Amino acid sequence: DTEVTQTPKHLVMGMTNKKSLKCEQHMGHRAMYWYKQKAKKPPELMFVYSYEKLSINESVPSRFSPECPNSSLLNLHLHALQPEDSALYLCASSQALFQRQFFGPGTRLTVL
Amino acid sequence: EDQVTQSPEALRLQEGESSSLNCSYTVSGLRGLFWYRQDPGKGPEFLFTLYSAGEEKEKERLKATLTKKESFLHITAPKPEDSATYLCAVQAGQGGSEKLVFGKGTKLTVNP
Repeated sequence: DTEVTQTPKHLVMGMTNKKSLKCEQHMGHRAMYWYKQKAKKPPELMFVYSYEKLSINESVPSRFSPECPNSSLLNLHLHALQPEDSALYLCASSQALFQRQFFGPGTRLTVL
Repeated sequence: EDQVTQSPEALRLQEGESSSLNCSYTVSGLRGLFWYRQDPGKGPEFLFTLYSAGEEKEKERLKATLTKKESFLHITAPKPEDSATYLCAVQAGQGGSEKLVFGKGTKLTVNP
């Protein structure tokens, strides 16, 4: 199984809502990532987990809260988002930190 | 400052017209260089990893090469299904200060 899955595929939320994005991999990878991607831009790194511990937070606003419940799962909790947070949110995993990454299909988030 | 620059930003080819995409980098301590392909609204798909100058990798119509300052992605006799954005990413740094730097991508369109 060389797949990274993400749910939901699409999410529309208001600025006062609380929602969560989920990511799962069963490749035994020990590094997992959250990226944000705006249209016609490259992926922008948000968070990195290595061995289930947060190792990198790229100065992301606190309205984004990551969680790694176990080595296969990665969540991104969203609260009080702004319209400019609308983007494609990508999850990725790799065997070791910053090596070849496998990306999920992404969650298209729209904040109204 | 670590930088990855891809050129051209966009490239239009006729089917069968071979060409090359460029990724130039200035980073401290290159650990690896990655090429990904991304279709609209989807997650990047891994193509190649290159680790040292002189290294080459091939897959179907694609060939990636690496020098000390840049990488090329050569596309031989492209087909319309090769249309996508091609992303270059460089793994740099070491021992707790590793990072992954993405280029802005080259959008390739292959016309039939």
